[in-house]
Amino acid sequence: DVKVTQSSRYLVKRTGEKVFLECVQDMDHENMFWYRQDPGLGLRLIYFSYDVKMKEKGDIPEGYSVSREKKERFSLILESASTNQTSMYLCASSTLGQGGGNTIYFGEGSWLTVV
Amino acid sequence: GQNIDQPTEMTATEGAIVQINCTYQTSGFNGLFWYQQHAGEAPTFLSYNVLDGLEEKGRFSSFLSRSKGYSYLLLKELQMKDSASYLCAVRLTGGGNKLTFGTGTQLKVEL
Repeated sequence: DVKVTQSSRYLVKRTGEKVFLECVQDMDHENMFWYRQDPGLGLRLIYFSYDVKMKEKGDIPEGYSVSREKKERFSLILESASTNQTSMYLCASSTLGQGGGNTIYFGEGSWLTVV
Repeated sequence: GQNIDQPTEMTATEGAIVQINCTYQTSGFNGLFWYQQHAGEAPTFLSYNVLDGLEEKGRFSSFLSRSKGYSYLLLKELQMKDSASYLCAVRLTGGGNKLTFGTGTQLKVEL
């Protein structure tokens, strides 16, 4: 089974802190994604990566950056956390192709509260 | 922009059948996915459609009409454990394997 592991389930951080959310997948997937999920807004894509050191902005990249130094690991960075970044963050991965039922697999999520 | 619409909430009775609709208006289309998400858990893959028609998978079926920009997820013989949020997602053409999600439909199954 595909396993996507997010390092922290629950975090509480202060406004202005730098926050790292770590994600590791064990299926040698090329693609990795960071989404945030908010009530009434659904899942929104923050950033994705299709290869090591490659990244592309999603729909809501402002206030975030990412790092992919190794294929299995994709980190989301909040340079200066703000209260409007309080959310559930979901990491996901998939193989490279976009044909067929190539689905993406999600981690358990990280609940971040910024106070 | 991309627009994917689903009802916010639905309630159904154990043992019954429920249909969750999804309409989409997107720039390009390369497949539609349905995910199930229980509270506090990761979304898990349920079904995939890229051609028009019905895909059946046990108690779950999904239908797609590309000309109408419409899909539905059909759940039969509802069980209490089916209480969850159901997410409709569209994969766009030329966008890698990114998915754009609707806001999800919260289904409550009652006795």
